[in-house]
Amino acid sequence: QKEVEQNSGPLSVPEGAIASLNCTYSDRGSQSFFWYRQYSGKSPELIMSIYSNGDKEDGRFTAQLNKASQYVSLLIRDSQPSDSATYLCAVSRPGSARQLTFGSGTQLTVLP
Amino acid sequence: DVKVTQSSRYLVKRTGEKVFLECVQDMDHENMFWYRQDPGLGLRLIYFSYDVKMKEKGDIPEGYSVSREKKERFSLILESASTNQTSMYLCASSISGQGKEKLFFGSGTQLSVL
Repeated sequence: QKEVEQNSGPLSVPEGAIASLNCTYSDRGSQSFFWYRQYSGKSPELIMSIYSNGDKEDGRFTAQLNKASQYVSLLIRDSQPSDSATYLCAVSRPGSARQLTFGSGTQLTVLP
Repeated sequence: DVKVTQSSRYLVKRTGEKVFLECVQDMDHENMFWYRQDPGLGLRLIYFSYDVKMKEKGDIPEGYSVSREKKERFSLILESASTNQTSMYLCASSISGQGKEKLFFGSGTQLSVL
């Protein structure tokens, strides 16, 4: 079993729709959770971090965390073509918050 | 803004060559990391360092070594390059602080081993 699993996609949504990206993780001791966005040919950049159960909103982005279910998600409201990218879920390792385990990413395409 | 600079964007080497990948960050970050990224496998941690002259193995250290002689510079060394080391290599840095880890990535080095 992979430590951090994401649906590889590709996921396509029409412009203006809500894109929902999901991630599950295997280690219950993980404490910090991150979403990175990676445009084609570019390096990843952090877009959201979440540390406690519930929702965290930042503009059009909402991260949701459920530690009991070991599940973290990213919602993108009013999706734009510029949101087309690969989204990487990253989870900190228990006892070593500085080390992250990444999922393989979900490729999102927003259709104009 | 934090800048993480990797010395080469594209590199082509031959099997058996010794390969050096250089990474420099300009924000006095304590932590530095080397990842490789392969399609379908995501980012995998090769080595990391929390301080000068300190290094620790990540998940896939075999065939690699690292050097951190100065705080701002973290080098990845392929002792004898092999074709299965063809990959995108990403360097990253971060500042310490529980729960405040934000990785800043370099632009990556696409290494091809022929």
